[in-house]
Amino acid sequence: QLQLQESGPGLVKPSETLSLTCTVSGGSISTSGYYWGWIRQPPGKGLEWIADISHSGSTYYNPSLKSRVTTSVDTSKNQFSLKLTSVTAADTAVYYCARREVSVTGENDYWGQGTQVTVSS
Amino acid sequence: DIQLTQSPPFLSASVGDRVTITCRASQGISSYLAWYQQKPGKAPELLIYAASTLQSGVPSRFSGSGSGTEFTLTISSLQPEDFATYYCQQVNSYPLTFGGGTKVEIK
Repeated sequence: QLQLQESGPGLVKPSETLSLTCTVSGGSISTSGYYWGWIRQPPGKGLEWIADISHSGSTYYNPSLKSRVTTSVDTSKNQFSLKLTSVTAADTAVYYCARREVSVTGENDYWGQGTQVTVSS
Repeated sequence: DIQLTQSPPFLSASVGDRVTITCRASQGISSYLAWYQQKPGKAPELLIYAASTLQSGVPSRFSGSGSGTEFTLTISSLQPEDFATYYCQQVNSYPLTFGGGTKVEIK
């Protein structure tokens, strides 16, 4: 059974960089036909797609965050990562990593449990 | 960007009720639509993909329909474990977008 697990600091200071890692177990991040992505949910609000990355490193970013977001993949560790720079309180959210099928149908079929990130001094 | 408008935002229903949630896209997305269920404090779970295909393990009381710009999620007989928030997501083009959610509450 595929599992995804987010990790990283739960508290980040304003203007600093948020860094999260998603570790994939029970399957290979290099499997073709899938992208690996980040989605966030501010407290009490809906879901916002942040980014996708392929195992070969092709990236897709939400234009609303593009200037501040970087994603990377480490196939040797079966991990992918998110960096969000110059954070503000508006970046406080639960951050999810998820797998997305990209061969035919496009859905996010496996999700991590989510990690709360709070931006505060 | 493709905007998704879900209605209603809140829905109060009883166990056994038939429930329908609508998701409208601001432009045609063929059948590139997924539905997710989210319970408090939990990650979203995939219910339906490709507008009408039931994800493995999801009860058959859930169904999806539609194509183009109008989609529906139907729960044929609401069960206690179905009280949750439901989101649609378009996967037709980047940036991927979600609807605002529909919270299904106990009447």
